[in-house]
Amino acid sequence: NAGVMQNPRHLVRRRGQEARLRCSPMKGHSHVYWYRQLPEEGLKFMVYLQKENIIDESGMPKERFSAEFPKEGPSILRIQQVVRGDSAAYFCASSRTGGAGSYGYTFGSGTRLTVV
Amino acid sequence: AQSVTQLDSQVPVFEEAPVELRCNYSSSVSVYLFWYVQYPNQGLQLLLKYLSGSTLVESINGFEAEFNKSQTSFHLRKPSVHISDTAEYFCAVSMDSNYQLIWGAGTKLIIKP
Repeated sequence: NAGVMQNPRHLVRRRGQEARLRCSPMKGHSHVYWYRQLPEEGLKFMVYLQKENIIDESGMPKERFSAEFPKEGPSILRIQQVVRGDSAAYFCASSRTGGAGSYGYTFGSGTRLTVV
Repeated sequence: AQSVTQLDSQVPVFEEAPVELRCNYSSSVSVYLFWYVQYPNQGLQLLLKYLSGSTLVESINGFEAEFNKSQTSFHLRKPSVHISDTAEYFCAVSMDSNYQLIWGAGTKLIIKP
């Protein structure tokens, strides 16, 4: 029973390149959440997705960032034209139902993005 | 604005000593409260949670936390720490939207031999 799988674990991109972060939720989980952790800060909510639907993207920067969770395959967080300020750890979580309460989230190990 | 405050960025303690990691939140609505632990180079693991009922909740590895509504706190305690408890601990709160977690900045627990 694999947990939430994120890859790659570490990603280095030059300024202006694109970054693609992947997240495969736990088996049986159809709700996916992306969080970003900046150095010395707590996690910040970015986006909540269900299969083929974006439920809440209120935490996503308006430009350059997009997320999807297709019918088949992992959820993808895409950052276009990366800048140094995008350097952070990006965590994905999944849940069986759409809430943090009774069943809680299961988190992946994160992708650490470094923009040089 | 809703927020979660972890007052201590680092807490050094000797092995077998007690420890308390503090967490306060600001919210005027009902809350769910969580403590997550992040061991070095690993992801976040749920340590314990308060949803309702008894205000004292416990984890399987000896940690406990108490929900204090009047003080809007959810401090984490352990009576005797072990070197394996070295990690960063995050307090998180789910407020009226339920699925979105608001996070504290984390507290690094440093165990001195």
